[in-house]
Amino acid sequence: DARVTQTPRDKVTEMGQEVTMRCQPILGHNTVFWYRQTMMQGLELLAYFRNRAPLDDSGMPKDRFSAEMPDATLATLKIQPSEPRDSAVYFCASGLFGYNEQFFGPGTRLTVL
Amino acid sequence: AQSVTQPDIHITVSEGASLELRCNYSYGATPYLFWYVQSPGQGLQLLLKYFSGDTLVQGIKGFEAEFKRSQSSFNLRKPSVHWSDAAEYFCAVGALGQGAQKLVFGQGTRLTINP
Repeated sequence: DARVTQTPRDKVTEMGQEVTMRCQPILGHNTVFWYRQTMMQGLELLAYFRNRAPLDDSGMPKDRFSAEMPDATLATLKIQPSEPRDSAVYFCASGLFGYNEQFFGPGTRLTVL
Repeated sequence: AQSVTQPDIHITVSEGASLELRCNYSYGATPYLFWYVQSPGQGLQLLLKYFSGDTLVQGIKGFEAEFKRSQSSFNLRKPSVHWSDAAEYFCAVGALGQGAQKLVFGQGTRLTINP
């Protein structure tokens, strides 16, 4: 049963610390998306990749967030330095270009104190 | 720009009753439309999708949705809900972004089931 995996599932950190979230897309998928979910804003698209190349990261605060795909099996989202307003659930999703459908991971719940 | 509106933030229905969740979209071309469900503490799971063809699409867990171009709607229905259907439901439209196909989500509708 192919699934998107995300680690860690929960992360509690203090303001100013670096946070790294990891995502393993479904094998063979060539698009990866990062979302942030909060009560106030709902689901926001932060960034997305096609064939490991970043296509759009306009949804991310550029000064503190960065997203990369070191290889086809790993996508990372980093926040440095973290702030309390970054507290949210971060979802990774993957898909096949041309099919539109996205498969979501279970999310990383981030709490910044 | 693409957008999705889910007019109902929260809906409560009794177990066994019928359900309809509303979704209206704005998109200049033929849309790709999706319904996802999110159970507490979980990621989003695809219920059903519309790309083309028959405007009534069947999904998992007994759900169906009807695409009405004239009304720009894609409402989700279920004839008889079960307690396990309590969750958050998201409608989304697929939009061609910069070289990829991204989804624009509505704000979600939270479904509560009364026993």
